[in-house]
Amino acid sequence: DAGVTQSPTHLIKTRGQQVTLRCSPKSGHDTVSWYQQALGQGPQFIFQYYEEEERQRGNFPDRFSGHQFPNYSSELNVNALLLGDSALYLCASSSTSGSYNEQFFGPGTRLTVL
Amino acid sequence: GQNIDQPTEMTATEGAIVQINCTYQTSGFNGLFWYQQHAGEAPTFLSYNVLDGLEEKGRFSSFLSRSKGYSYLLLKELQMKDSASYLCAVTPGYNDYKLSFGAGTTVTVRA
Repeated sequence: DAGVTQSPTHLIKTRGQQVTLRCSPKSGHDTVSWYQQALGQGPQFIFQYYEEEERQRGNFPDRFSGHQFPNYSSELNVNALLLGDSALYLCASSSTSGSYNEQFFGPGTRLTVL
Repeated sequence: GQNIDQPTEMTATEGAIVQINCTYQTSGFNGLFWYQQHAGEAPTFLSYNVLDGLEEKGRFSSFLSRSKGYSYLLLKELQMKDSASYLCAVTPGYNDYKLSFGAGTTVTVRA
């Protein structure tokens, strides 16, 4: 049973560029959340997608957008990249039929903005 | 808002016991998670507490006091592979699906 997968593993961009990160949830999961983790910090919630819609959003600017596809996979898009966007981006999946809000994390995409 | 506090670093000897404290002040509460994260890897689930008391799972135990906004993770019989960051996360409540994380506690196990 494949867990949560993310691509790419690493990415280097320059300021002002745009980036798309991808996530496939764990089998049987229908909900995808995205988190940003700066070095030495805990993950910060960006947004969550369920039924192809953004269900909840954290305190991130509109430069951060996302999408969920009918197969439950998801993309995170970041426009007009800033140096401060350099971080590990984690995708987490969960199931609305689960007994509690346990979220399973993927290995992350390490984004470096130069 | 959410305020979740953990110590930044702890060091212990192989075979010893370490207790990682977490205090929280959040706008709601529906449960508390502990995750382990090795450097450069994804967080992995360790425990979940929703009711007061101690949950034991092998060498790891987690305690919750909702009235005090306090939890701890107890790691017994420490092994070198337990060197990692330990993240405390609160799930706030009804219609709030995010996990709110503390900054994490880096535990270093020495021989």
